[in-house]
Amino acid sequence: GQQLNQSPQSMFIQEGEDVSMNCTSSSIFNTWLWYKQDPGEGPVLLIALYKAGELTSNGRLTAQFGITRKDSFLNISASIPSDVGIYFCAGQRGGSRLTFGEGTQLTVNP
Amino acid sequence: GAGVSQSPSNKVTEKGKDVELRCDPISGHTALYWYRQSLGQGLEFLIYFQGNSAPDKSGLPSDRFSAERTGGSVSTLTIQRTQQEDSAVYLCASSSGAPGANVLTFGAGSRLTVL
Repeated sequence: GQQLNQSPQSMFIQEGEDVSMNCTSSSIFNTWLWYKQDPGEGPVLLIALYKAGELTSNGRLTAQFGITRKDSFLNISASIPSDVGIYFCAGQRGGSRLTFGEGTQLTVNP
Repeated sequence: GAGVSQSPSNKVTEKGKDVELRCDPISGHTALYWYRQSLGQGLEFLIYFQGNSAPDKSGLPSDRFSAERTGGSVSTLTIQRTQQEDSAVYLCASSSGAPGANVLTFGAGSRLTVL
């Protein structure tokens, strides 16, 4: 099946630092999504990308759909304590179901 | 409803008992997914319903797990003869199912503890 490799698995940063995480695949995807999961909650959509090369921002978050369509990254600038959580990438190919990465656990120290 | 609703939010059961978890998707959403998430882990795909198509059951871990979706809306995930390793959060998500716009909205999950 389709596999997504998400890295890093976990990050420990200081408040104010920038964060970068990415997902790669051996397969081409035509949709990339980034979700955040707070403790005790379901994942919530942060950014959706539908076009190769697309760069989209949502506040302090920026995500890009890789030009090869096999990767995507998410950047968080000037991190704050409420950025803590698990970040998931997800990709879709054609009409198939979404495939999720393993998640990046982010810890922000004040 | 406005969001994906799951019940119960918490379920504690004894090993060997059957449990049913319910998901009420967003009205009009044709696609519905069930995922399992163990503590601190990623999302393990279980089953996917899309409209009237045959469900994708490829993620169900054993024949003790089954799911149905009645009338294209509410879904029930059933776990028979529960085992301790079934303890996890079970997440449901739905989407409009439109091609190229498969944005999932998740419920808050049902936390299952098998003693």
